[in-house]
Amino acid sequence: DIQMTQSPSSLSASVGDGVTITCRASQSVSTYLNWYQQKPGKAPKLLISAASNLQSGVPSRFSGSGAGTDFTLTISSLQPEDFATYYCQQSNSFPRTFGQGTKVEIK
Amino acid sequence: QVTLKESGPVLVKPTETLTLTCTVSGFSLSNVRMGVSWIRQPPGKALEWLAHIFSNDEKAYRTNVKSRLTISKDTSKSQVVLTMTNMDPVDTGTYYCARSSQGQWQAYDYWGQGAPVSVSS
Repeated sequence: DIQMTQSPSSLSASVGDGVTITCRASQSVSTYLNWYQQKPGKAPKLLISAASNLQSGVPSRFSGSGAGTDFTLTISSLQPEDFATYYCQQSNSFPRTFGQGTKVEIK
Repeated sequence: QVTLKESGPVLVKPTETLTLTCTVSGFSLSNVRMGVSWIRQPPGKALEWLAHIFSNDEKAYRTNVKSRLTISKDTSKSQVVLTMTNMDPVDTGTYYCARSSQGQWQAYDYWGQGAPVSVSS
């Protein structure tokens, strides 16, 4: 199984800050890497597919990059609605696997 | 409009079998570009992928619970069913069904609201 490791597990930031979340795969997933946002009590929401493909309706302050084993999710200027938990997930092979999540909290 | 909705028991006893149903609308389970997965989330923990079914009825399962899982679909009813045998308290959590799309590089672009399941005697 491909292991997905996110860092950090949590971070505290202020509105307006830029943040970067890293996701590393235990073997290459090409660009089959997706990012989700989850708020408490809600289902995850797809933000970015294929490492860098921003979903329709997702603000442009979100961006993704990477290929192979190393990926990043960047939020250029945190807004109050961005405080949530973020997960990476590989869709290169089965079994599908998720990272352990990164909780973005208000400083 | 694409929607998925999970249904099933909220409470099951240890050793019992859990059966969850995902009813979809806005797309067909026979569409070769689509598939449906079940994903769960223990309280306060990360997402765990469980199983997937393709349009051609091929299936894939999570490695460490494979022997306990069965996924199936009824295309005419637009339903995907997950059964999990020998339930244990560690299986407590919210169970989601989600659609994957070739057009989104197999990402999960639509999710159900989630079905809470508690395993307790």
